[in-house]
Amino acid sequence: SQQGEEDPQALSIQEGENATMNCSYKTSINNLQWYRQNSGRGLVHLILIRSNEREKHSGRLRVTLDTSKKSSSLLITASRAADTASYFCATVNTDKLIFGTGTRLQVFP
Amino acid sequence: NAGVTQTPKFQVLKTGQSMTLQCAQDMNHEYMSWYRQDPGMGLRLIHYSVGAGITDQGEVPNGYNVSRSTTEDFPLRLLSAAPSQTSVYFCASRVMGEGSRELFFGEGSRLTVL
Repeated sequence: SQQGEEDPQALSIQEGENATMNCSYKTSINNLQWYRQNSGRGLVHLILIRSNEREKHSGRLRVTLDTSKKSSSLLITASRAADTASYFCATVNTDKLIFGTGTRLQVFP
Repeated sequence: NAGVTQTPKFQVLKTGQSMTLQCAQDMNHEYMSWYRQDPGMGLRLIHYSVGAGITDQGEVPNGYNVSRSTTEDFPLRLLSAAPSQTSVYFCASRVMGEGSRELFFGEGSRLTVL
């Protein structure tokens, strides 16, 4: 079974709006990562947050982690049409990186 | 750098045939892994390796074999293909050690089993 579940499964917004995606997981983790996948391509790493961190920023990305609730969120601010992609959270426990089911983001110009 | 290279990009098999998906990385990464991606299922871990000569099972290992004779290569073998193995397969690698850092992915191999 998969570790992470993303919510929502799909999200449609206008350019300039913010996009928020949530990830819930089941077991303890070393860290949590977010990846992006453009249609038909491999995944690309966006950001990593360690289990002892609560918030992290990278450019227009903001990630939060609440280990007590076993959840994380990814916020993309001032979205662009080029942000259209699927986004996955992945949890790390020992050697394995287990992915969630993903959120499909569509940003309309 | 080429990064992670997967071959072939596309393959059609008949039920019962065997084949090997190739994966090679030129980043000297100790850790390599194989995932399959199906619609609505996200990515599921098939097998992984933490170094040459060491492999272990992931979430969905049945029907697949792997070996790791060199640091660079991590082939995935389907011994007797089944329609349920129709999927997109991704190979990924990373460094080992503290922090379990980011995975680098190949561009995928799309397999259809008829």
